[in-house]
Order: sequence, then C-alpha cells, then structure tokens
Amino acid sequence: DTGVSQDPRHKITKRGQNVTFRCDPISEHNRLYWYRQTLGQGPEFLTYFQNEAQLEKSRLLSDRFSAERPKGSFSTLEIQRTEQGDSAMYLCASSSQGYTEAFFGQGTRLTVV
Amino acid sequence: GQNIDQPTEMTATEGAIVQINCTYQTSGFNGLFWYQQHAGEAPTFLSYNVLDGLEEKGRFSSFLSRSKGYSYLLLKELQMKDSASYLCAGSKAAGNKLTFGGGTRVLVKP
Repeated sequence: DTGVSQDPRHKITKRGQNVTFRCDPISEHNRLYWYRQTLGQGPEFLTYFQNEAQLEKSRLLSDRFSAERPKGSFSTLEIQRTEQGDSAMYLCASSSQGYTEAFFGQGTRLTVV
Repeated sequence: GQNIDQPTEMTATEGAIVQINCTYQTSGFNGLFWYQQHAGEAPTFLSYNVLDGLEEKGRFSSFLSRSKGYSYLLLKELQMKDSASYLCAGSKAAGNKLTFGGGTRVLVKP
C-alpha cells in the first residue's frame, strides 16, 4: 500500500466551472477526512466519513461543496460554480478505528482563475 | 471555542534546540497532535499526547498539560531538514477530526 493518494495533484479552472477531486485512502482505513489549507495556514476541517456514512460537515462547506464515499473506499469532493476564494490545497486523510494517527495525502492544489 | 494558538515563525541554528508552544481552550480537546509539514507536501504525524507529561521520540519530544491547555514540541539537535511548518492540532477523541492551529514555520540556519 502506497498510502493516501489524491488525484489530480494540481487543477486550474475558470471561475464558475465545476471540479471534482478524488481520494483513495489506505485500504483498511474506515475513516476518511477532507481538509482545506490556504497558504501559511493550518488545515481546516471540511467533512468526515466513517465507511460510507458522512458523519460530520463543517459550516465552511457551503452548498456548492459535496462529498461522497459511495462504497466506503475512495471518496470524491466536488465543488460547483467555483469561486476565486476556493483556491486552496485540498487534503484528504484516512485513519483506522482504534488508532490515533491520521495519514494525509499529498493534496490537490486548486487554482481558480 | 476551540482556538489553537501557536507562534507564526521561529528561527534557530543547526544543532540547537527549539521549543514550539501551543495553547488551546481546555474544554475543547482530549488529546493534542503535532504534525510536520514541509512546503508543498502532506502533513506527517510526529506525536500524540492524551495524558499529561512528556513523550520522547528520538530528537523530538512533546509535552501536554491538559489543565493549563498547553503543549509544546521540542526539537533537539536541529538539522537543516527540520526546516518546515509544525502544526499543533486538537482532537476530542482518537480518530475524530483534527482542529489545527495556524502552524509554526521553523527556519534552521547553518
């Protein structure tokens, strides 16, 4: 297992377009998290899945954002009608129940122009 | 609230020791994490404290005082590769979401 992988690594899109990111967690991990990080700041929590159930969503997650984890394995994060303020690094992390450490992927850097 | 505060930036010399402090509101969290993040890379786990006291792992040590809402990360025998951001994060329970501070950027100079 190569760890948490995210695709794409970089995405440039025009304002108003929709984008979708994918995260593949470590295979035996049942918990999956999405965070957003802007330059010089710490990551901010967006949403969290345990298996296929979305258990928590941040107030930061506007109606334009939706996340899914249909079979409890990979997850997608979609942003509709992107805005310049959505430009950030989107990080995915996974962990296994009973363990404390969350493992992060390399992130998807989104630039909205 | 669950604010986590840490200094923005610190500079230290190769071979020296640096202590990064982190304060938080005590009602928010049950455990404190430290992550290291090099520029453009994913955060990597350094330590997790759920009990008061010092946890030592090689050149890195982390301390927690739950009653004071205070933690620190101690980096000893600094190396150039330790130049990175160090993120303090709180969690209500193991496996729960992390609430991060803004990160402390450490610059190690020769």
